[in-house]
Amino acid sequence: TQLLEQSPQFLSIQEGENLTVYCNSSSVFSSLQWYRQEPGEGPVLLVTVVTGGEVKKLKRLTFQFGDARKDSSLHITAAQPGDTGLYLCAGVNWGKFQFGAGTQVVVTP
Amino acid sequence: NAGVTQTPKFQVLKTGQSMTLQCAQDMNHNSMYWYRQDPGMGLRLIYYSASEGTTDKGEVPNGYNVSRLNKREFSLRLESAAPSQTSVYFCASSELVLGADTQYFGPGTRLTVL
Repeated sequence: TQLLEQSPQFLSIQEGENLTVYCNSSSVFSSLQWYRQEPGEGPVLLVTVVTGGEVKKLKRLTFQFGDARKDSSLHITAAQPGDTGLYLCAGVNWGKFQFGAGTQVVVTP
Repeated sequence: NAGVTQTPKFQVLKTGQSMTLQCAQDMNHNSMYWYRQDPGMGLRLIYYSASEGTTDKGEVPNGYNVSRLNKREFSLRLESAAPSQTSVYFCASSELVLGADTQYFGPGTRLTVL
């Protein structure tokens, strides 16, 4: 049973379009992380959000942590082919990580 | 600075065979983890070690054993491999940074059990 639900499972868009990926849970987390994983490699941390309502921006990526610290979203503006990958969210409590199943994003030129 | 390294990268086993997956980190992290990743299931925690000399079960520990050999190394052993253990295995380490752990992953071991 996945405690963290990610949606959608798969997203295919054209270069230049915007996209949003969601991560939802019934549990409260002390922090939430987003990772990107490329084929044949391990996940790489993109961002950690800690405070409810927090918004962080990383170039064209915007991350938001829900006010109740149970959910998060990742928004990509003007997606590029280099954004292609598996996006994973992970809720963190007391040094233990609970991962969602991931959203596969494909950006075509 | 190699980060987290894993060996081997690929392995094919027959049902009932045993093997050990090796993991080492050079970042002086206290915590280390073993995950398996299956399509549609995301990353599931097998075992973790909060510090040298301690290990704890994760979400899917059955069929696996671990050893925290020292602060750098954390190995995962399959005593009698089963086809259900076909998966990609990732080792990770973490440190506590300003109240939020930062986790670093190795490149993975792709295991097939026939």
